[in-house]
Amino acid sequence: GAGVSQSPSNKVTEKGKDVELRCDPISGHTALYWYRQRLGQGLEFLIYFQGNSAPDKSGLPSDRFSAERTGESVSTLTIQRTQQEDSAVYLCASSLLSLGVGTQYFGPGTRLLVL
Amino acid sequence: DQQVKQNSPSLSVQEGRISILNCDYTNSMFDYFLWYKKYPAEGPTFLISISSIKDKNEDGRFTVFLNKSAKHLSLHIVPSQPGDSAVYFCAASAGSSSGNTGKLIFGQGTTLQVKP
Repeated sequence: GAGVSQSPSNKVTEKGKDVELRCDPISGHTALYWYRQRLGQGLEFLIYFQGNSAPDKSGLPSDRFSAERTGESVSTLTIQRTQQEDSAVYLCASSLLSLGVGTQYFGPGTRLLVL
Repeated sequence: DQQVKQNSPSLSVQEGRISILNCDYTNSMFDYFLWYKKYPAEGPTFLISISSIKDKNEDGRFTVFLNKSAKHLSLHIVPSQPGDSAVYFCAASAGSSSGNTGKLIFGQGTTLQVKP
């Protein structure tokens, strides 16, 4: 079946503009995660969704970052008033299990460059 | 505070030899560990995992070892193949902790180059 898909694959924007990134998880996967990978670094957790539960937003770096998820499907990550330090690859992952040891499957990422 | 550390940014091995990638962690609440492999311009792909109740898990050419007392895990690839050349990330989760969301904490990655 189809894996996790993300769009756009690349995004170049000017400092101060808003951007919206999209993630389509694997069908049937209840949990959805957003991570960020800055150049030369590991993946950094941003936010987690599970069904109708309140999302875990503990990784969001500032209030310029927000995310939504419609039921158990598509999610969008929005960055308002982008800054150059927001430049990174934004990765989405989905998992069948919400708690514990569900393996997370990643999309190809959106490469964001803020000029 | 880096809870998961991969202290070797790169590793080069000859085809057919063993590759050993190391990872250290500091959080004793971690009880599930994973290795992911990442090619350029692609998302990480799951490779192998291990629960803290085990000290070894093997899948084909890949074996993960966990030493809980040392808070250390390693990934062994044998024999190494040129197609194994990629960035390898270790990740940890406090998977069974009450209320935990299963979020993964990643190391910085180790770039493995397998030379033909």
